[in-house]
Order: sequence, then structure tokens, then C-alpha cells
Amino acid sequence: ILNVEQSPQSLHVQEGDSTNFTCSFPSSNFYALHWYRWETAKSPEALFVMTLNGDEKKKGRISATLNTKEGYSYLYIKGSQPEDSATYLCAFSRSNDYKLSFGAGTTVTVRA
Amino acid sequence: GAGVSQSPSNKVTEKGKDVELRCDPISGHTALYWYRQSLGQGLEFLIYFQGNSAPDKSGLPSDRFSAERTGGSVSTLTIQRTQQEDSAVYLCASSVEGVSGANVLTFGAGSRLTVL
Repeated sequence: ILNVEQSPQSLHVQEGDSTNFTCSFPSSNFYALHWYRWETAKSPEALFVMTLNGDEKKKGRISATLNTKEGYSYLYIKGSQPEDSATYLCAFSRSNDYKLSFGAGTTVTVRA
Repeated sequence: GAGVSQSPSNKVTEKGKDVELRCDPISGHTALYWYRQSLGQGLEFLIYFQGNSAPDKSGLPSDRFSAERTGGSVSTLTIQRTQQEDSAVYLCASSVEGVSGANVLTFGAGSRLTVL
């Protein structure tokens, strides 16, 4: 079992504010880091897959960065909207391993 | 199909009963995964299929759990003699192929199991 930690566990954001949260993972034998968004009563939806140290990915107002040497990734939400309310999951895979080890998620609630 | 379908979406059962959960992956996806999320926990890997074979069953929590996949498509997860600790959301996911850990998973909406 690979230890993937996400913090904070939950956060509340005012509409229009920006926020960010962290995923930390083992830095040895790194292969890929995934971010998924899971809205209530829906399927988890893939946001990003990053494989290279220093990778930055962006999708609309959401972006992510990756530091494989120190074993962390940040996910940023700029100008939060109510539709951003969801649980954000990160998942890590090691070399030669198809399995993803998931963190427990960060639940974001955007208040109008 | 267009997405990954899971059924039932919700199942309430009595302790000791058997349950079957079904997953219909995206057509053409050779890799299929079962995960579960218990309350307050991260997604826990259960089993992985490549085609019809399951090279990795390491995540199945006990011998009460079994899974099969037929025709390289539909998969069934069976839990025998359910216990209260089996209560969780069971998620199925598929990907184009399962060799690489960089493959994006497409998830179903999950089957919420409650064991009374």
C-alpha cells in the first residue's frame, strides 16, 4: 500500500476566491500522478495525468503542478464557482505498475 | 456503451446475504478495475482485469469476495455472506489498456452497498 496524503481533508471557499490544496506521494519509482474530480452522485472524472517533474497542466480555471523529486502536487482553482464543489482525488502510480493508489481526497465547498 | 455503467446504484442487504455488483465498461476498453471507498477512506484497489483474466487479485479483502469478467466486457463482483464492514461505494473503472499507470481511468457512478 502506497501512502498518498491529501490536505486539507476539506475546505470552504467563497465564490470568486482562489484556492489550492496538496497531494503528497512517495518520490521513489515515480511513474504518474492523476487528479480526478468527484461530484456528488456522479462518476469520478479525470482532470489531469502528469508524468514529468515540473509538469504543469491547465483546464479552464483549474491547474496542477508536479514535483516528483520532493513528492508533491498542487491543484489550483482560480475564481471558484459553485460548480467547482466536489471531492478532488489524487492518485499515484509507480513504474511498472498499472494500479493507482488514491488519496482520501479534498472536499471543496464553494459558497455563493 | 458511451460510459461505464454500474448496477445496482444502491443496494441494501442484510448481514449474511450474498450480493452481486455489475459493471459494463466502455466498449473496446481491455482493462477493468474494481475499487471501493469506505466512509472517510480513500479509494481502495480490489482487483484488475486485462481482458478476461485477473492478473492481480491482491486487493480482495477476503475469500468472500470474488470477481469475474466474461467476453472481455461485463464484470461481476460477488460478495458472499456480507458483513457490515463491507458497506462502501464500489466503483468500477475501465481504460483502453492497463499496462501503463498513466492511462486515464473512466469510472462508473458506483454501487452503494449498505449491509444492515
